[in-house]
Amino acid sequence: AQKVTQAQTEISVVEKEDVTLDCVYETRDTTYYLFWYKQPPSGELVFLIRRNSFDEQNEISGRYSWNFQKSTSSFNFTITASQVVDSAVYFCAHKAAGNKLTFGGGTRVLVKP
Amino acid sequence: DAMVIQNPRYQVTQFGKPVTLSCSQTLNHNVMYWYQQKSSQAPKLLFHYYDKDFNNEADTPDNFQSRRPNTSFCFLDIRSPGLGDAAMYLCATSRTATNEKLFFGSGTQLSVL
Repeated sequence: AQKVTQAQTEISVVEKEDVTLDCVYETRDTTYYLFWYKQPPSGELVFLIRRNSFDEQNEISGRYSWNFQKSTSSFNFTITASQVVDSAVYFCAHKAAGNKLTFGGGTRVLVKP
Repeated sequence: DAMVIQNPRYQVTQFGKPVTLSCSQTLNHNVMYWYQQKSSQAPKLLFHYYDKDFNNEADTPDNFQSRRPNTSFCFLDIRSPGLGDAAMYLCATSRTATNEKLFFGSGTQLSVL
């Protein structure tokens, strides 16, 4: 069975600071996808990024970047120069073909002005 | 424009009184999902439809039922709501059931009095 762990329950930063969210997963699948979703106070889960298990190339997209380390089963996510609008709960998730999307417990990010 | 629409945003029902939550989508996606999310927890999958095929999670209580009369609409029926069923209910869609991203609605916050 898949398991996704987000050890940080809440992170508080001041605007313009960088914030890194940790995610560790357990899986027996050889092919799988990893996701990050953002849930602002409005409640809607918003897709941020997806990475497949064969692609460990780390990328930067605007203020977002992610670090996929298959050897340590980690998929960390960084927001650079945080803004108040980044305040939300962030969920890491795992999915393999035919299986449901398994979410981590979420990390609440509070960005103070 | 919203692509996954849930109504109402807030729903209040009485203990034991049946309630129906609705979801519609404009994406023409094959798969529709219902998630339950309790306060400060990760979303939990209740069931999903792949086209007309219904897939129930093993731990979803019998009290929860779903209907998908056509591609665009999906309903969540709670036959006899208990206090423990108070939660946010999220509808989501995806084009296929493999590893594509999910599109979520804004959710319906259910209160049980």
